[in-house]
Amino acid sequence: LAKTTQPISMDSYEGQEVNITCSHNNIATNDYITWYQQFPSQGPRFIIQGYKTKVTNEVASLFIPADRKSSTLSLPRVSLSDTAVYYCLVGDGGSGGGADGLTFGKGTHLIIQP
Amino acid sequence: KAGVTQTPRYLIKTRGQQVTLSCSPISGHRSVSWYQQTPGQGLQFLFEYFSETQRNKGNFPGRFSGRQFSNSRSEMNVSTLELGDSALYLCASSLGLAGVSYEQYFGPGTRLTVT
Repeated sequence: LAKTTQPISMDSYEGQEVNITCSHNNIATNDYITWYQQFPSQGPRFIIQGYKTKVTNEVASLFIPADRKSSTLSLPRVSLSDTAVYYCLVGDGGSGGGADGLTFGKGTHLIIQP
Repeated sequence: KAGVTQTPRYLIKTRGQQVTLSCSPISGHRSVSWYQQTPGQGLQFLFEYFSETQRNKGNFPGRFSGRQFSNSRSEMNVSTLELGDSALYLCASSLGLAGVSYEQYFGPGTRLTVT
């Protein structure tokens, strides 16, 4: 059973702000929400992580509503090099919670056009 | 600081054979996670090891196994290979358990082709 749901693909243009939403209805109390970026033939790269409210770093912002059942990754002023697959990850805190473990979503293929 | 390394980078095996993949985490990292990536299924979690103990396991058959050594290096083994095991196998390391606010650092992966 998938723990996260994201759009399969999104298109945008250079200079625009892009928001990718991830749904995680069954998020557990001790789960963190993490987003990764992956380019072809490379391993994923950490973008941002949060538990609640809003987190911002030099590359992105992460918005998490109070119920934590979804989260939105915001990429400001995207460029062509932001074309990649973006994964939303919800961790179960290593509680020994059985088969689910750490689950990546299917990922969102973001395509940035000139 | 050296990143996560995986060996070998590419591997071709025949159905029925077994394979062992190796992962060296970033120095000081105690958690190693393994993932399988295929075009159809995306990125799927295999298992996570922390301090030589398996802490989490994904929904894969028992043919997939792993272990972690005292220096945090990890190996994963796939026995009785099937065509469907062809995939990119990624290893990731983190300071602590990956699901508890610790960032994972991924290696370049091992591309396994089963013929």
